[in-house]
Amino acid sequence: NAGVTQTPKFRILKIGQSMTLQCTQDMNHNYMYWYRQDPGMGLKLIYYSVGAGITDKGEVPNGYNVSRSTTEDFPLRLELAAPSQTSVYFCASSYSEQENSPLHFGNGTRLTVT
Amino acid sequence: KNQVEQSPQSLIILEGKNCTLQCNYTVSPFSNLRWYKQDTGRGPVSLTIMTFSENTKSNGRYTATLDADTKQSSLHITASQLSDSASYICVVSYALNFGKGTSLLVTP
Repeated sequence: NAGVTQTPKFRILKIGQSMTLQCTQDMNHNYMYWYRQDPGMGLKLIYYSVGAGITDKGEVPNGYNVSRSTTEDFPLRLELAAPSQTSVYFCASSYSEQENSPLHFGNGTRLTVT
Repeated sequence: KNQVEQSPQSLIILEGKNCTLQCNYTVSPFSNLRWYKQDTGRGPVSLTIMTFSENTKSNGRYTATLDADTKQSSLHITASQLSDSASYICVVSYALNFGKGTSLLVTP
């Protein structure tokens, strides 16, 4: 059972380049999330989705875009990479927002923008 | 402003010893409180989830407590093992309010 899979694991971008961080889950979860984790800081929510075709902004959406065309996939797009986007990005999914539904995280993508 | 504060920031203990990590929050509305364990280079993994009506929840050697009146939670680790070395993250009310974590190192 793969759970939540993120690719790539590592990436170095030059300022102004674009890229897509991939996230796929095989648990048939409706809810999916993108977070960034900066050193010494708590995870910050970038975007989330409650089902295919539905996305919404989180706490720190500027500079990012998402799409959710299928239940399984939730890619995160960086259009014009900036040094401030250097971070570790985590994708997560959950069955619902009910109390007993934990978040299942991928193992992250470490992104450096230089 | 919703806040989740964890203490201590870091902790070193000897293998076999017990320890307690703290989480204080000012999140409204409150629905549930979760503790996650994050190993280095990996994503967080759920340890416990507690709702407003629960004041204790165990998962093996991990026991979480919740005092909704004082808005405090603790995570107690019993008979620590080397594999407990990780960051422990407190999350209040679903997916938005994350603490910065407590970094625990268990030494032989």
